[in-house]
Order: sequence, then C-alpha cells, then structure tokens
Amino acid sequence: EAGVTQSPTHLIKTRGQQATLRCSPISGHTSVYWYQQALGLGLQFLLWYDEGEERNRGNFPPRFSGRQFPNYSSELNVNALELEDSALYLCASSLGGLGYEQYFGPGTRLTVT
Amino acid sequence: GIQVEQSPPDLILQEGANSTLRCNFSDSVNNLQWFHQNPWGQLINLFYIPSGTKQNGRLSATTVATERYSLLYISSSQTTDSGVYFCAVGRSRSQGNLIFGKGTKLSVKP
Repeated sequence: EAGVTQSPTHLIKTRGQQATLRCSPISGHTSVYWYQQALGLGLQFLLWYDEGEERNRGNFPPRFSGRQFPNYSSELNVNALELEDSALYLCASSLGGLGYEQYFGPGTRLTVT
Repeated sequence: GIQVEQSPPDLILQEGANSTLRCNFSDSVNNLQWFHQNPWGQLINLFYIPSGTKQNGRLSATTVATERYSLLYISSSQTTDSGVYFCAVGRSRSQGNLIFGKGTKLSVKP
C-alpha cells in the first residue's frame, strides 16, 4: 500500500512570491492535515481538511491557505512568502478526524531567500 | 490548550543499552502517537496508543491515560535508533489535529 506522498521535495522561493505544496493521502483516507516544522519552533498544526471541507486551522495568518480535491488530495498555498516561512512542511492523512492514527509523508522543505 | 512535555530532551546511549522516554500531557486525550523522525525529516509511526500497552520488536509503549503519561521503551538500542522521538496527542474530535511535544533527541554510539 502506498504511503502519503508529497511534492515537491524541495522548493526555493524568493520573499514575496507564492508557494504551492501538494499532498496525496493514503488510499481510503479522507482527512488531510498540514503541519509546519520550523527550526526552533517544533511541529505546529496548520490546517485540517476532511471530505473537501476545511475543518480546523492553527494559529497561522490567512496567507496560509489550501484546499482538498474530490480525490482527497490536497494543496497548501503560502502567499506573500516571508523569510520565516522557511521550514519543513509535513502532510498527514487519516481515515477520519481525531481518534484515527495519522500517517505522515516525507515532507516538502521550503526555503525562502 | 493541552501541554505536552517530553523528557529527557537529549539522551546519549551506548549500543546495546536500554532506555525509557517519557511523555506527560496536561489533559485527557483520545489520541496519542509516538513517532521517530529520521535524518531526512520523515515521521515514522511507532505506536498509536491512547491507552494500554503495545510492543513491536525491541520497542514497547505504555500509556496510563488516568495519570496522563506515556512511556516509550527501547531495548538493546542500535545506532539506527538515533534520531528524534516525538510524542503527539489529540484531544478534541472537532479539532482533529495532533499537538506535539518538543521531542527527545537520542544518539546511540557504537
């Protein structure tokens, strides 16, 4: 069974640009979660999508947004990139909401220069 | 919000030694997971253990939900066990997300 996949592996952008990160969940999983791991800040929750709807978001500004497609894949968009957005972005999927085990992808490392 | 504390923050072991990692959480949870983050950043699932005891090879975990802690045991450690171990908890079905501790960085020396 294929795991969670993410693309691209690495992404280099300039301050002020937009970044788009993509995630494909494990087959049969309807929930997708996005987390940010920035140096010194630990793993922080960004967004949760389930059945195409945004269910919850973490304490991040509105320039972090995303969507979930009918096939349950998801993309994360970060607008007006700032230097502090440089981080590893991890996507996870699960069968449903809380109470189900979350499985993580390999991550996208975003560097903003 | 719920607080998750992991200890120790750093641990250095000789190959073959045993270790215990601890995770304390400040409120009741309905999801608790242990992960190992490999050098490339991927989180590898170790245990889904909101309560009870589980074992998988040299690793085992116990969660005592009523006392709000979980323990991860690593026996006969190997150099490949090196990395960061995270405990993550989830509290509310309406929120969905996991809340991570700061991790325990384990270094196993040959």
